[in-house]
Amino acid sequence: DAKTTQPNSMESNEEEPVHLPCNHSTISGTDYIHWYRQLPSQGPEYVIHGLTSNVNNRMASLAIAEDRKSSTLILHRATLRDAAVYYCILRGSPRGKLIFGQGTELSVKP
Amino acid sequence: KAGVTQTPRYLIKTRGQQVTLSCSPISGHRSVSWYQQTPGQGLQFLFEYFSETQRNKGNFPGRFSGRQFSNSRSEMNVSTLELGDSALYLCASSNDRGLTGELFFGEGSRLTVL
Repeated sequence: DAKTTQPNSMESNEEEPVHLPCNHSTISGTDYIHWYRQLPSQGPEYVIHGLTSNVNNRMASLAIAEDRKSSTLILHRATLRDAAVYYCILRGSPRGKLIFGQGTELSVKP
Repeated sequence: KAGVTQTPRYLIKTRGQQVTLSCSPISGHRSVSWYQQTPGQGLQFLFEYFSETQRNKGNFPGRFSGRQFSNSRSEMNVSTLELGDSALYLCASSNDRGLTGELFFGEGSRLTVL
């Protein structure tokens, strides 16, 4: 299984942008990059995914390097409710399986 | 639309006992997967069921088993419980759109083994 590497923790100030990096140097051509986050006392929730091009949705943006060996999740304006553990996951075959790394614990200061 | 429902939310067992956890997926979702979350190992994939068949399996001993019913509800069973089985067990359902599909997780069942 291809692995991802993320910083253990990051801090942000409220209403400022946050860039969460992820390295995945062993990614294969068919792996999708998914991001999930887990708020305290909850199950993980989907944030965004992409293959090659940058992606935007109402929650975040995903910037993917041209060689696909790294990606960055961008929260445009962090709120206190964004404090969570963020997981970068490579989703390939078999498709029903998610391999979670240790994730990045994001704290947001008022 | 109701989310993924897991029962029970909390339970306490003793070593050697067995436990059964239940998961009701989002209506229309046929894929159900199970994960174990512990402070030391993080989130680990247990198995995935699709249309009553186990499609994928993680690296857990045979004491961990599961099944899926015709209505897509799933159960997982852990026999001969060990202290190390204390964990949050999470269930996720998906409409199985291949590699782009989103997984919806329940809030989990927290198992404590004494």
